[in-house]
Amino acid sequence: DTAVSQTPKYLVTQMGNDKSIKCEQNLGHDTMYWYKQDSKKFLKIMFSYNNKELIINETVPNRFSPKSPDKAHLNLHINSLELGDSAVYFCASSHPRESATGELFFGEGSRLTVL
Amino acid sequence: AQKITQTQPGMFVQEKEAVTLDCTYDTSDPSYGLFWYKQPSSGEMIFLIYQGSYDQQNATEGRYSLNFQKARKSANLVISASQLGDSAMYFCAMREGGAGTALIFGKGTTLSVSS
Repeated sequence: DTAVSQTPKYLVTQMGNDKSIKCEQNLGHDTMYWYKQDSKKFLKIMFSYNNKELIINETVPNRFSPKSPDKAHLNLHINSLELGDSAVYFCASSHPRESATGELFFGEGSRLTVL
Repeated sequence: AQKITQTQPGMFVQEKEAVTLDCTYDTSDPSYGLFWYKQPSSGEMIFLIYQGSYDQQNATEGRYSLNFQKARKSANLVISASQLGDSAMYFCAMREGGAGTALIFGKGTTLSVSS
C-alpha cells in the first residue's frame, strides 16, 4: 500500500564502490524526483523526471545517474562513491495537473553511509 | 540569493501553546505555491499545508494555519495548541510555476514542545 517506496532503506558501503537506490510510486503520478538531505538536514533537488524524461538536472556530479524505465520508477545509480555522498536520499512524486497543488509525496528515504 | 529563508534554527514551546514558524520567500514568478512539511525524528517527510499565490484566504488544516502575507513575501506556519508529537523539524518550501515543478526547501526549523 506504500505510495512511494524506496529500497534499500539503509546502505553502508566503501569509497569507490557503485550502488543503486530504487524508487517506485503507485500513485499514478507523472513526475518523480530525487532529493539529497545532507547532515545539516538541508534538502536539495537533484533530478526531476516527467513521464520518463529528464526535466531537472541540478549541479550534481556525473557520478550520479538517474534512470526511469517507466513513469512509476525512478532509480538512482551512483558510481565511485565518495565520503561526501553520505546523506539521506529521498525519492518523491507529484501530479502536474493544473488543478493540483503540486504537493510532493515522499518516500521514507534511503540513508547512504560511505566509509 | 536564497529562495526560501527560515531564520529560526530552533523554537521552543510549551504544550497547548501556539507557535509561529517563520518563512520568507523570494520569487518573481506570479504563479507559485508555498508548502510546509514536517520531518519527525523518524525521518519521513509529512506534508502539512499548502498556499497558492492566487489564493485569497489563508490556508488552514486542523491545528495548522498558514499566515500568508503576499506583499511581505512571508508564509509563516502557525501551530495552535501544541502537542508533544509536534516536536520535529519543519520545512518551508516553494514551487515556482505550475504543479509538477520541483520544490525548493528552506533550511528548516527545529521545534521542541515541552510538557
